Amino acid sequence: EDKVVQSPLSLVVHEGDTVTLNCSYEVTNFRSLLWYKQEKKAPTFLFMLTSSGIEKKSGRLSSILDKKELFSILNITATQTGDSAVYLCAVTTDKLIFGTGTRLQVFP
Amino acid sequence: NAGVTQTPKFQVLKTGQSMTLQCAQDMNHNSMYWYRQDPGMGLRLIYYSASEGTTDKGEVPNGYNVSRLNKREFSLRLESAAPSQTSVYFCASRGLAGGPWGNEQFFGPGTRLTVL
Repeated sequence: EDKVVQSPLSLVVHEGDTVTLNCSYEVTNFRSLLWYKQEKKAPTFLFMLTSSGIEKKSGRLSSILDKKELFSILNITATQTGDSAVYLCAVTTDKLIFGTGTRLQVFP
Repeated sequence: NAGVTQTPKFQVLKTGQSMTLQCAQDMNHNSMYWYRQDPGMGLRLIYYSASEGTTDKGEVPNGYNVSRLNKREFSLRLESAAPSQTSVYFCASRGLAGGPWGNEQFFGPGTRLTVL
């Protein structure tokens, strides 16, 4: 059975800290891995990763995929209170499978 | 350009009642999706439509039906609501070629449904 597992489930940090969110997967016919940020409503797209070892970067956020070890990480440096959200990882095969998410809370 | 819109935003039903959740997108996307999101369960796919005129079951289709009315609209119907269907429902669309999966999906704002 295809599955996507995210860790930790929850994370509480102070502004300025750096965090690393993990996503591991066991799927057949992997096509891509997606990261989303979800605040109060719908998820918003962050990154799509298809190749191992190539870092995607957007401001303070970055992500990388390891297709050999079957995981991805999402890094957020110099966290801000506005980074507080649930971060979702999803893997595409012939379906789109979401992990349960990591809830990040950033306190001033 | 409104993106993906959903109605209603909130709904309370009694067990056994029926209702239809509406979704529309104005991005000329081929593929549309319905998900439910429950605490600790992540997003789970209910049904999807790869193109106008086609629909397929997802991970949790039981208790739901869908209609792809046209390219813009994809509705989700609960014929006889049950408390287990209390959830937040998201509609999404995707316009890239090469099949219904992969790459970026655009999500609607969600419908919070409570079944008593």
